[in-house]
Amino acid sequence: NAGVTQTPKFQVLKTGQSMTLQCAQDMNHEYMSWYRQDPGMGLRLIHYSVGAGITDQGEVPNGYNVSRSTTEDFPLRLLSAAPSQTSVYFCASSRRDAGAQYFGPGTRLLVL
Amino acid sequence: TQLLEQSPQFLSIQEGENLTVYCNSSSVFSSLQWYRQEPGEGPVLLVTVVTGGEVKKLKRLTFQFGDARKDSSLHITAAQPGDTGLYLCAGGGVGTYKYIFGTGTRLKVLA
Repeated sequence: NAGVTQTPKFQVLKTGQSMTLQCAQDMNHEYMSWYRQDPGMGLRLIHYSVGAGITDQGEVPNGYNVSRSTTEDFPLRLLSAAPSQTSVYFCASSRRDAGAQYFGPGTRLLVL
Repeated sequence: TQLLEQSPQFLSIQEGENLTVYCNSSSVFSSLQWYRQEPGEGPVLLVTVVTGGEVKKLKRLTFQFGDARKDSSLHITAAQPGDTGLYLCAGGGVGTYKYIFGTGTRLKVLA
C-alpha cells in the first residue's frame, strides 16, 4: 500500500495564480482532511470530508476549495494564491470513527 | 473555539534523562492522539486514547488521558537521540469530525 500520497512536493506560485494540490489514499478511508503547517502554529485544519460528496470547512478555509468525487481522492484548490498561503500543506486520511490520521509527506508551497 | 496548549515548546535534554510533555485544553475531547514529526515529513501517529484516565505504554513512552478528557501527557523514560523530533497532540471534538492540533513540543536529545 502506498498510504497517502501528495503531489507536487514543491511548488512556487506568483500572486494571483491558481493551482490544485493532489491527495490520494489507498486505504479505503472515509475521512480525509487538509492541514497547513506554519512555524510556531502547529497544524490548522483547512477542509475535511467524511465521504464522497461530503465536505465541510475547518479552521482556516478562506481562499481554498475542495471536492470529493471519489473515496480515494481529495484535491485542494487555491483559487488566487496570496503570499499568506505560503506554507506546508498536509493531507491526511482515517476511518470515519477513528481519530488516528495517516498523513502524506506534504507539499511545500511558496507564493511570491 | 477549541484550543490545545502544549508545554514545554522546546526541550533539550541529555540521553538517559526522563521528560514529560503536557497537552491541555478547557474543552472535552472524544479522543486524543499523539504524533511525532521528523523534519520534512508528515506527522506519524504514536497513540490514540479515548477513555478518561486511560494509560497506554509504547516501549519507553507512556501516554495518559485526563479523567475529564481535557488533557493528556506524554512521558518518555530514558530518552534516546532517536526520540528527537516534534511531538504533536491532537484532539477530536465531541460530536464533530474537526481535529485540533497543539502547537507542538520540539524535543532534542543529546548523545
